[in-house]
Amino acid sequence: QKEVEQNSGPLSVPEGAIASLNCTYSDRVSQSFFWYRQYSGKSPELIMSIYSNGDKEDGRFTAQLNKASQYVSLLIRDSQPSDSATYLCAVSEEYGNKLVFGAGTILRVKS
Amino acid sequence: DTGVSQNPRHKITKRGQNVTFRCDPISEHNRLYWYRQTLGQGPEFLTYFQNEAQLEKSRLLSDRFSAERPKGSFSTLEIQRTEQGDSAMYLCASSRRGRDGYTFGSGTRLTVV
Repeated sequence: QKEVEQNSGPLSVPEGAIASLNCTYSDRVSQSFFWYRQYSGKSPELIMSIYSNGDKEDGRFTAQLNKASQYVSLLIRDSQPSDSATYLCAVSEEYGNKLVFGAGTILRVKS
Repeated sequence: DTGVSQNPRHKITKRGQNVTFRCDPISEHNRLYWYRQTLGQGPEFLTYFQNEAQLEKSRLLSDRFSAERPKGSFSTLEIQRTEQGDSAMYLCASSRRGRDGYTFGSGTRLTVV
């Protein structure tokens, strides 16, 4: 059973701070890694993808991947109240046929 | 690009009834996925199509669930003899390649009473 583990939270950070979200996965041959944001009552929205070890930055978001440790993280700089949502980590299977999702981490940014 | 469209947005049905949901993917995406999500959980894989071929179906999916994608365009998900445990958000997503992230539709929220 391939698993993706996330701390359910809630993770509370003050406005302007850095939010750090973490995810571990069980399948060593996973090739593609994604972070989705999901507002309450809405569907998931893709915000970051990462395929190689290291960091990938996009605006206020940085995804970090360490395949040896089977660990992927998302940093959100200058957190805003509008970032308050559930963040889902998703990992592809070996041949990329489907994504396996974690249960998500609830982020609350306090103004 | 009009996004992934799902209909209906909400469905309330009595236990034992059949329901059918429709998904229209992004036109240039040949891969289409159905997921189910319950409160506090991440999306759970149900089935996947590449063009019109259904390539994988979750072992968690009972025989009451069936999906089709005629002509590799829109897809339908049918649940027969609904049970209260089927109450969930049913999400459709599409992608162009296997390693791409998905674009999700708005989902169909099913309530079985």
